[in-house]
Amino acid sequence: EDQVTQSPEALRLQEGESSSLNCSYTVSGLRGLFWYRQDPGKGPEFLFTLYSAGEEKEKERLKATLTKKESFLHITAPKPEDSATYLCAVHSGGYQKVTFGTGTKLQVIP
Amino acid sequence: SQTIHQWPATLVQPVGSPLSLECTVEGTSNPNLYWYRQAAGRGLQLLFYSVGIGQISSEVPQNLSASRPQDRQFILSSKKLLLSDSGFYLCAGTVNGYTFGSGTRLTVV
Repeated sequence: EDQVTQSPEALRLQEGESSSLNCSYTVSGLRGLFWYRQDPGKGPEFLFTLYSAGEEKEKERLKATLTKKESFLHITAPKPEDSATYLCAVHSGGYQKVTFGTGTKLQVIP
Repeated sequence: SQTIHQWPATLVQPVGSPLSLECTVEGTSNPNLYWYRQAAGRGLQLLFYSVGIGQISSEVPQNLSASRPQDRQFILSSKKLLLSDSGFYLCAGTVNGYTFGSGTRLTVV
């Protein structure tokens, strides 16, 4: 069974204080790893898809990286508007579905 | 553009009443479609997925059912709602990768 574990559960940062969120996974044949941002009361907003170890993608202050066992979402010089819950999910080769972690709730304080 | 539409945004229903939530896809054909439930402070729980018209797979036994009457339409239903059916329901699909609708907040009272 595919498993996704995100850490930490919650993270509080000062504005400008860079940090990383972790997503550890075990899957039977990774087809893709997704990162999403979710604001309260809204559906998850797609950020990145990573397909193979060593791949990196960037968007504004966010950078996602992938290894064979985990993915990191690096946040550089965060701003208060980056506050949200960040979800990680994996799509495995043997299933028509995606398994989600429980998310990291990020709060950026001015 | 390829998007997923979901409605209503919020719904308050009495226990024992029926439910119908609709999800439609725009801008693509033959997507895989999914219904998730997200409880407060918890992760996304996959309820149903569909790879085509009339094809429904259920992930967890429950009071809910799903149907896919058209290629771009996915419906979540219940004949009699329970208090435990309250939650945030999300439709997702293989549209522009793996995209979500805006969600429906269901409160059963």
